[in-house]
Amino acid sequence: DQQVKQNSPSLSVQEGRISILNCDYTNSMFDYFLWYKKYPAEGPTFLISISSIKDKNEDGRFTVFLNKSAKHLSLHIVPSQPGDSAVYFCAARASGAGSYQLTFGKGTKLSVIP
Amino acid sequence: ETGVTQTPRHLVMGMTNKKSLKCEQHLGHNAMYWYKQSAKKPLELMFVYSLEERVENNSVPSRFSPECPNSSHLFLHLHTLQPEDSALYLCASSQGEGNQPQHFGDGTRLSIL
Repeated sequence: DQQVKQNSPSLSVQEGRISILNCDYTNSMFDYFLWYKKYPAEGPTFLISISSIKDKNEDGRFTVFLNKSAKHLSLHIVPSQPGDSAVYFCAARASGAGSYQLTFGKGTKLSVIP
Repeated sequence: ETGVTQTPRHLVMGMTNKKSLKCEQHLGHNAMYWYKQSAKKPLELMFVYSLEERVENNSVPSRFSPECPNSSHLFLHLHTLQPEDSALYLCASSQGEGNQPQHFGDGTRLSIL
């Protein structure tokens, strides 16, 4: 039973346009969410995170939106660049003392077309 | 060197071999992790060490044995593995358990013959 779901295995976007990657979760105890980017033959690289006390966090071209009532978060990349082509993973962590575990989605492969 | 370094990058071994994966972090973090990524499955947490003590062990078979001699080094000792253990093994580190991201190495691609 997947607690973090990325329902789109792949996404293609034209260079310069907006990329929107979606993630849904089921565990209401999740209070910290992260997005990672992964290139082939490399480990995941941390992109951006958001705490459940916020509904938006922005870092340059990357913005993460959190809708707690819908248990949904999304990553917006504007404008998209060819170098953004990678697999993007959504991850979540539950609250509680000693909680180290991140639960990951299966990933969405983004292709930015020049 | 900076970041999280894993060696070797690739490993092929037979089911009766014994080998070890090594991870080193240069970020001054106090928590380290082993993850497994199998094809078409999400990353699965295997072990967590905080301040060199194991704090989580997610029902991992005993043929995987972690070791954390200090806060910068983490090992995964492997023995009598099965073909289904072929996967990408990723090490990560973080600063404590708060809202801090985990930083990953590039992984070891393990193939069991």
